[in-house]
Amino acid sequence: QSALTQPASVSGSPGQSITISCTGTSSDVGGYNYVSWYQQHPGKAPKLMIYDVSNRPSGVSNRFSGSKSGNTASLTISGLQAEDEADYYCSSYTSSSTLLFGGGTKLTVL
Amino acid sequence: EVQLVQSGAEVKKPGESLKISCKGSGYSFTSYWIGWVRQMPGKGLEWMGIIYPGDSDTRYSPSFQGQVTISADKSISTAYLQWSSLKASDTAMYYCARGGRELLPDYWGQGTLVTVSS
Repeated sequence: QSALTQPASVSGSPGQSITISCTGTSSDVGGYNYVSWYQQHPGKAPKLMIYDVSNRPSGVSNRFSGSKSGNTASLTISGLQAEDEADYYCSSYTSSSTLLFGGGTKLTVL
Repeated sequence: EVQLVQSGAEVKKPGESLKISCKGSGYSFTSYWIGWVRQMPGKGLEWMGIIYPGDSDTRYSPSFQGQVTISADKSISTAYLQWSSLKASDTAMYYCARGGRELLPDYWGQGTLVTVSS
């Protein structure tokens, strides 16, 4: 099982919107609506931002949204803020009843 | 409040054994999966495996099958990750995480740093 594919880095200016993609296969991302996104600040544990492709846990800003088309899931952050600068990881349930993570994307707020 | 509290940092020599722990509280420990995730220095997250404390059903990533052992003691709401013979390449931060829908993590522990060096 290979890791899900994410861009290594993305950047945007405060107030702008950015989108991070997460590409898998029909055996994981494309086969299930079970994709989560996590935010990780340096030296901290990951934090759940999106689950079940597009649902936000309580307390997560509505500036974060998720979607999926085919084998690719996406995380969009609107109205970028300095505090959004972090690493972001996607994860998907798989047909082997296991999980896969993406390689991670470093978001830089310019 | 859901909490996962992991054991402290470890420094070990190659070939030694190790067992780290993750204690859950604030929810029904036997009703949720508990998984383990590795993060090597400067690298991304890697899913290692998961256990359902209710019946000890355990699943491993093919990359970690046979390399580690995941277990749980439901009487004390604690999950474990164990190595029988550590290697320098096992140096990493290890996170436990509660499995929500379809095993995907919803709550995370604070991490346990394992350093293996001669």
